[in-house]
Parts: sequence; structure tokens; C-alpha cells
Amino acid sequence: AQSVTQLDSQVPVFEEAPVELRCNYSSSVSVYLFWYVQYPNQGLQLLLKYLSGSTLVESINGFEAEFNKSQTSFHLRKPSVHISDTAEYFCAVSDSGGSNYKLTFGKGTLLTVNP
Amino acid sequence: KAGVTQTPRYLIKTRGQQVTLSCSPISGHRSVSWYQQTPGQGLQFLFEYFSETQRNKGNFPGRFSGRQFSNSRSEMNVSTLELGDSALYLCASSFSGGPFYEQYFGPGTRLTVT
Repeated sequence: AQSVTQLDSQVPVFEEAPVELRCNYSSSVSVYLFWYVQYPNQGLQLLLKYLSGSTLVESINGFEAEFNKSQTSFHLRKPSVHISDTAEYFCAVSDSGGSNYKLTFGKGTLLTVNP
Repeated sequence: KAGVTQTPRYLIKTRGQQVTLSCSPISGHRSVSWYQQTPGQGLQFLFEYFSETQRNKGNFPGRFSGRQFSNSRSEMNVSTLELGDSALYLCASSFSGGPFYEQYFGPGTRLTVT
């Protein structure tokens, strides 16, 4: 069975500071990895995903994540955060692209950006 | 393009009752997945429907059921409600399921069981 561990439940940072949200997964097979963001009172939005190819993936709003197979990690980073980045971030994994496809989520990391 | 809509947004029910939640996917999407979100357990997969057939199921008791209609709209039903069923229920639609098609989430239905 696959599982996802998000090492920090809360991360407070100041505006314009760098941030890293950590995610480790366990799976016995090849995986697909995702980061989702949830703003207050909203559903989840896909931030970025790793399916194959380059291990560094980027989002349109400045976030990036690196797939590290040996460390079984998929940490999310941003070099300079904004107040508007305040949200809960979820790391997710899937080990199948077939009909049994489902996402397994971590417990989430609440990122709070302070002025 | 209209997003995923869920109705109702908020619901209060009494223990022992049953409840039906509705999800309308993005037009053209045939896959609908349901998730339960609670502070203690986080996001957990309930089931996925594709072309009116349940294609995948999570580890929830049989009190949780669902269905999908020919227009891809989906409903989930919880019978004999328990206090622990209080949660945010999210549905997500995608064109065909799988990791290669993005899942779009609705805003959720907040269910409170008293």
C-alpha cells in the first residue's frame, strides 16, 4: 500500500522569504506525484505534478518540486512567497495509471505567510 | 467553462438519518471521484465512477454508496449516519480518470452530523 507523509503540519513564514514544504512517500512501484493547494472554503486545485521525465517540475506561480527517487521525496519549494500563497498544501501519490487509479493524500501543510 | 458544482454546500443531519450529496462535473468529463476530508484522517478516497460504472473503491463501509447518471452527474449516499461521518465531502471530475487528465475539484459539501 502506498502512503504519503507531510513532515510539517504548519509552516509560518514572512513575506518574500523562501519556503520548503516537505513530502515523503512510500510505494513499492513507480509513482505519479502531485501537489494540490486548498484556499479557505474552496476545493483543491492542482499546483504541479510529476509523471515522468525531468525530475524538476514547475508551476505557473513560481512553485517547483523535485522528484527524488532515492529519497522517496517530492518537496515543494518557492524562493519568495507572497501573502496570497497562504493556503493548505497537499502532497498526493498514485501508483497506477490504469482503472484502479486513485490519489492517496498526505495530511496537509498549512502555509501561513505573514507581512 | 463552468466548474464542478456540488449541492448542497452545507448540511446538518441527525445520527441515524441518511443523506444524499450531488456532484455535477465539468461538461465533457466522464470520471467523477469522491473524497472525504476530516481534520483527523485528512483526505480519503471513497470511490470513482466512469460512464455510470463504479471503477474503483476506497476502504469505507457499505453505508457509503454512490451512482453516476448518463449525463455524468453523480450522487453519493450515506445511510445510518454516525457522528464520525461529519466531514467535508469533495468530488472531482476529469475527462477520463488517471494521472494524465487533471482532476478538478468542487468546493465540497460540509456535512455535520449531530
